[in-house]
Amino acid sequence: SQTIHQWPATLVQPVGSPLSLECTVEGTSNPNLYWYRQAAGRGLQLLFYSVGIGQISSEVPQNLSASRPQDRQFILSSKKLLLSDSGFYLCAWTTPRAYEQYFGPGTRLTVT
Amino acid sequence: SQKIEQNSEALNIQEGKTATLTCNYTNYSPAYLQWYRQDPGRGPVFLLLIRENEKEKRKERLKVTFDTTLKQSLFHITASQPADSATYLCAFGGSQGNLIFGKGTKLSVKP
Repeated sequence: SQTIHQWPATLVQPVGSPLSLECTVEGTSNPNLYWYRQAAGRGLQLLFYSVGIGQISSEVPQNLSASRPQDRQFILSSKKLLLSDSGFYLCAWTTPRAYEQYFGPGTRLTVT
Repeated sequence: SQKIEQNSEALNIQEGKTATLTCNYTNYSPAYLQWYRQDPGRGPVFLLLIRENEKEKRKERLKVTFDTTLKQSLFHITASQPADSATYLCAFGGSQGNLIFGKGTKLSVKP
């Protein structure tokens, strides 16, 4: 069966510090991968999605970036965090021919 | 721009009643709509998908309708239970699965 992992589960970082969040999927190959952010009182916002290794599409301009170095690995990064980057970060996957998405457990990021 | 709205932020109902949640969309004609359940501090869980050519879809106590004329989807939970208490999200998406989510409706089922 397929499993999606995210780490860390929680993170407290000062403004201006770098960020690296990792997501990995097991039990499937060539998944579509997604990064979302859920800020307090707001809905899920799609940040990046990837349909293959090295292929990244950005939905919202910001100081975040994403990379997909391996088929089942998706990384969200920032060189300098802002207060507004605080939120609940979720990774999700789907198979290329399906529409339903499967979400990871999320990372709660607090920027202080 | 494409917009999806869930009219109620919160819905409180009594156990055993039917909960009905509404999702409206504008400036788009989605090929499908999805509904997810999200518990506090956790990722959303997929519940149902309904395509534009389907009027209704059921799964156990859940039922979803899709009215392309009204640009609306309704999500019903029959015989609701306290364990159904959660936030329910609707979403529609593009061809590469880049979903656009509503803000969600927080359902509370009281015993």
